[in-house]
Amino acid sequence: QVQLQESGPGLVKPSETLSLTCTVSGGSISTYFWSWIRQPPGEGPEWIGYGYYSGSNIYNPSLRSRVTISVDTSKNQFSLKLTSVTAADTAVYYCARLVRGQGMDYWGQGTLVTVSP
Amino acid sequence: EIVMTQSPATLSVSPGERATLSCRASQSASINLAWYQQKPGQAPRLLIYGASTRAAGIPGRFSGSGSVTEFTLTISSLQSEDFALYYCQQYNDWPLTFGGGTKVEIK
Repeated sequence: QVQLQESGPGLVKPSETLSLTCTVSGGSISTYFWSWIRQPPGEGPEWIGYGYYSGSNIYNPSLRSRVTISVDTSKNQFSLKLTSVTAADTAVYYCARLVRGQGMDYWGQGTLVTVSP
Repeated sequence: EIVMTQSPATLSVSPGERATLSCRASQSASINLAWYQQKPGQAPRLLIYGASTRAAGIPGRFSGSGSVTEFTLTISSLQSEDFALYYCQQYNDWPLTFGGGTKVEIK
């Protein structure tokens, strides 16, 4: 059974960088696409982007200038970095496995990140 | 980007009744459409992909239909555990986009 678990700070100051890690267990990270999704309180989900073990990425244009997703096959982890955060970046951040042609079938439990001084 | 619009925003249904949720795409999504269920404090759960294929472990009372720009999720006989938020999401083009959601509540 594939499991994903997000980790990282729950509080980030404005203008700083949000950094999260997703640890994948029960399967190899060297297949599939690995996505980050966020959901502001009371709103619908927003797809941030994906990373692939080969190094390829696709990001949401709305965040492209601030986002980096990288995959570490040695640790079976992938990570999210979002620079220059503001209060608008406050959200629950989820990691998920993206299967071509099937959507996102495994999700982490989510982690709330609050941007505040 | 493809904008996904869901209706209604809230659907009030009695247990045992049928629920029909709609999702419209601003341009063709082909059949590259997924439905997710989300309960408070939980991550979304994949219900349907390919517009009509149930994901592993999803009960048969959930069914999806549609193509191109019009999609429907039907829950044939609502159980207590089905009262939740439902989102559609297209994966026909980047960026992946979600609808605004339909809340299915107890009538």
